[in-house]
Amino acid sequence: QVQLVESGGGLVKPGGSLRLSCAASGFTFRDYYMTWIRQAPGKGLEWVSSISFTGTTMYYADSVKGRFTISRDNAKNSLYLQMNSLRAADTAVYYCARVSTDRGGEFDDWGQGMLVAVSS
Amino acid sequence: SYVLTQSPSVSVAPGQTATITCGGNNIGGKSVHWYQQKPGQAPVVVIYDDIDRPSGIPERFSGSNSVNTATLTISKVEVGDEADYYCQVWDTISDQYVFGSGTEVTVL
Repeated sequence: QVQLVESGGGLVKPGGSLRLSCAASGFTFRDYYMTWIRQAPGKGLEWVSSISFTGTTMYYADSVKGRFTISRDNAKNSLYLQMNSLRAADTAVYYCARVSTDRGGEFDDWGQGMLVAVSS
Repeated sequence: SYVLTQSPSVSVAPGQTATITCGGNNIGGKSVHWYQQKPGQAPVVVIYDDIDRPSGIPERFSGSNSVNTATLTISKVEVGDEADYYCQVWDTISDQYVFGSGTEVTVL
């Protein structure tokens, strides 16, 4: 069965950096777009970024553009999110998810989520 | 940027029908996906591409989409359907996904 396991979260100071990882299994990773979504405490879902099959095309929300970088390693079945210049507003549970088709498809499988807290 | 509008909450009695709407400019021309999120859990897709239901999702869940409003309908509501529901589209102008603000469904 599909498994997506996030890691790398934690507490970081404003202006700091963090790299999230998502280990995928149970499906042919290279055949799917992948995506990151976040949810601030008590708030709704916010799409963060998506990446194409080979990693050549990336998409970002305006709120993270220029600060976050999505990437993938198909040989390692892994998805990454490099987060720089972190702000308090970036505090959230971060989910990785599989996109059912290419861009525009629904997110048909999600990880359990990883908390990122930005605070001094 | 594209905006999706959802009512904050809907209350429904068990066995009745819950209707959750998602408003957006010409949303009828987009594919709408719907997610259910229960407290402490990751979201689960319940409707994709306006009307399609993933395997394992009860037939009680159905969707429609026309002009400026997409709708998720839950028939014969059960206590276990209590959750937050989010609509989502892909905006081809900005090349970004957009989520609605979510609707909390309470089963009285």
